Amino acid sequence: NAGVTQTPKFRILKIGQSMTLQCTQDMNHNYMYWYRQDPGMGLKLIYYSVGAGITDKGEVPNGYNVSRSTTEDFPLRLELAAPSQTSVYFCASSLQGAQNTEAFFGQGTRLTVV
Amino acid sequence: GIQVEQSPPDLILQEGANSTLRCNFSDSVNNLQWFHQNPWGQLINLFYIPSGTKQNGRLSATTVATERYSLLYISSSQTTDSGVYFCAVVSYTGNQFYFGTGTSLTVIP
Repeated sequence: NAGVTQTPKFRILKIGQSMTLQCTQDMNHNYMYWYRQDPGMGLKLIYYSVGAGITDKGEVPNGYNVSRSTTEDFPLRLELAAPSQTSVYFCASSLQGAQNTEAFFGQGTRLTVV
Repeated sequence: GIQVEQSPPDLILQEGANSTLRCNFSDSVNNLQWFHQNPWGQLINLFYIPSGTKQNGRLSATTVATERYSLLYISSSQTTDSGVYFCAVVSYTGNQFYFGTGTSLTVIP
């Protein structure tokens, strides 16, 4: 019963490097989300997807890209990493849209950009 | 977006004590969840409670949607209850959760 799985758990990047945060869910959920959590704060939405092939921006999308080629996977791409992207990243999924159903979160990826 | 305020911001309890955490929100919502973020950073679902009252063991929650608040009750607290408790809401027309800044709970033996 894996739920939402994120990899890696921790990563240190140098300024200007790129990386992909992986997220996969095994609950056959249609909706998937990427959030970031800055120290002492709640989570903010980066991107979300309502199904394979469909993505849209959230509150803080700059500096990130996403794709959704399958129902299960929703990777988040960081291009040209900056110190402002130091954060904890959470992937989440829900069966229907955020309005209607419970969302489940992965264990997070702690990213440090130096 | 919706403004979510949680109180108190910090709480220190003796083991066995009870507490009430509050979440106020600025607009009508169609979804409200309570999460516990444990010391390892993991977000754990506590309640999906857009309205009404639910109980799960020592925890219970009540949402009064018409008055735009929700309460989380923790009874007979244990050290494992320590962590940050977040309230998150979704508006009727929205597609994302808006999180409060959380209540940091420390339970001391």
